[in-house]
Amino acid sequence: DAKTTQPPSMDCAEGRAANLPCNHSTISGNEYVYWYRQIHSQGPQYIIHGLKNNETNEMASLIITEDRKSSTLILPHATLRDTAVYYCIVRVGITAGNKLTFGGGTRVLVKP
Amino acid sequence: GAVVSQHPSWVICKSGTSVKIECRSLDFQATTMFWYRQFPKQSLMLMATSNEGSKATYEQGVEKDKFLINHASLTLSTLTVTSAHPEDSSFYICSAHRDPYGYTFGSGTRLTVV
Repeated sequence: DAKTTQPPSMDCAEGRAANLPCNHSTISGNEYVYWYRQIHSQGPQYIIHGLKNNETNEMASLIITEDRKSSTLILPHATLRDTAVYYCIVRVGITAGNKLTFGGGTRVLVKP
Repeated sequence: GAVVSQHPSWVICKSGTSVKIECRSLDFQATTMFWYRQFPKQSLMLMATSNEGSKATYEQGVEKDKFLINHASLTLSTLTVTSAHPEDSSFYICSAHRDPYGYTFGSGTRLTVV
């Protein structure tokens, strides 16, 4: 499985953009990058995913480098409710079970 | 959007008894369901993958006789923790998958074994 590396924690200011980095240097060409977040004692919530192009939805933007070895999740205007653990995950292909294997994640604290 | 219902949300059981956790995809038929376990302040650990009508595939180190997974239909998977012990106390989370719906997680079940 491709492994991901994220900083263990990050603080950001309410109303400002939050940029969450993720390294996945061993990613294969057909493996997607997924981002989920988990608020305390709840199930993970889907944020966004991508293969090689940058993606944007109502929650966030995903910037993937051209070599696909790293990506950045951008929360454009962080709110207090964005405080959570954010997981960057590389989805393995169908022959490996289409699994999502979680790493350590980044604990994001949004401060007023 | 896709919704996964997981029940119960919390359960307390006595040591030595068995507990069943249900995971249902409410508005789509899941190709695959996954079961995770999460200890306090730790990440989610994948326990097993199950496909409808076939035996579950367990991750290394997960006891298949202790954590029984049944995937009877495309919308229902169950995890039974057999002969529970206090060290089995944890947060158990299921996930249902089908493209293009992606991976949708249940709200989790907090198991406490006393």
